[in-house]
Amino acid sequence: EAQVTQNPRYLITVTGKKLTVTCSQNMNHEYMSWYRQDPGLGLRQIYYSMNVEVTDKGDVPEGYKVSRKEKRNFPLILESPSPNQTSLYFCASSIPGQGNSPLHFGNGTRLTVT
Amino acid sequence: GNSVTQMEGPVTLSEEAFLTINCTYTATGYPSLFWYVQYPGEGLQLLLKATKADDKGSNKGFEATYRKETTSFHLEKGSVQVSDSAVYFCALSGKNTDKLIFGTGTRLQVFP
Repeated sequence: EAQVTQNPRYLITVTGKKLTVTCSQNMNHEYMSWYRQDPGLGLRQIYYSMNVEVTDKGDVPEGYKVSRKEKRNFPLILESPSPNQTSLYFCASSIPGQGNSPLHFGNGTRLTVT
Repeated sequence: GNSVTQMEGPVTLSEEAFLTINCTYTATGYPSLFWYVQYPGEGLQLLLKATKADDKGSNKGFEATYRKETTSFHLEKGSVQVSDSAVYFCALSGKNTDKLIFGTGTRLQVFP
């Protein structure tokens, strides 16, 4: 089954404790992206990657890192989480090209930073 | 820059009622337009899309028409079901970019 898999689904942590949210897709998509979803703000892009070893900042990259060492994986790293990073996070992937390819989303990771 | 504005929710309807969720956009050129749906506890799924002016996207009884003159892409369904209860997101992407810009989402609640 074609899918984007994120882990974990739920994560509670404390300020400053490094964490990684994993994302993997089995559709051989070049394009991958991370979004955060907050009430009243919709989804905002954190980082994206056009292909292996190619990553770039989205609209809200501060406090986050990503890597793209393999096509299928695109982990999101929070080196020193803070409470304002409490949010619902989504990984997504697609075939890149001219803006009309639909994004395939994972089921989300709900992160709480205390 | 590009942006999407959707009507505030929640929208509360009885089963079999007519649904409209308004979406307007600001963009340079001719963006592609999308509606995504998010069911409780799940990620977003593409519901329908339109890639040029006057195109109508449709799926599962939902429709939306790309109106260049009013910069709108309103979502409609003639007869909603309880199973349509979800959050609906309007989104756009510009030409030659894969970045999606989302609206804030509209929660739909359908009661029997």
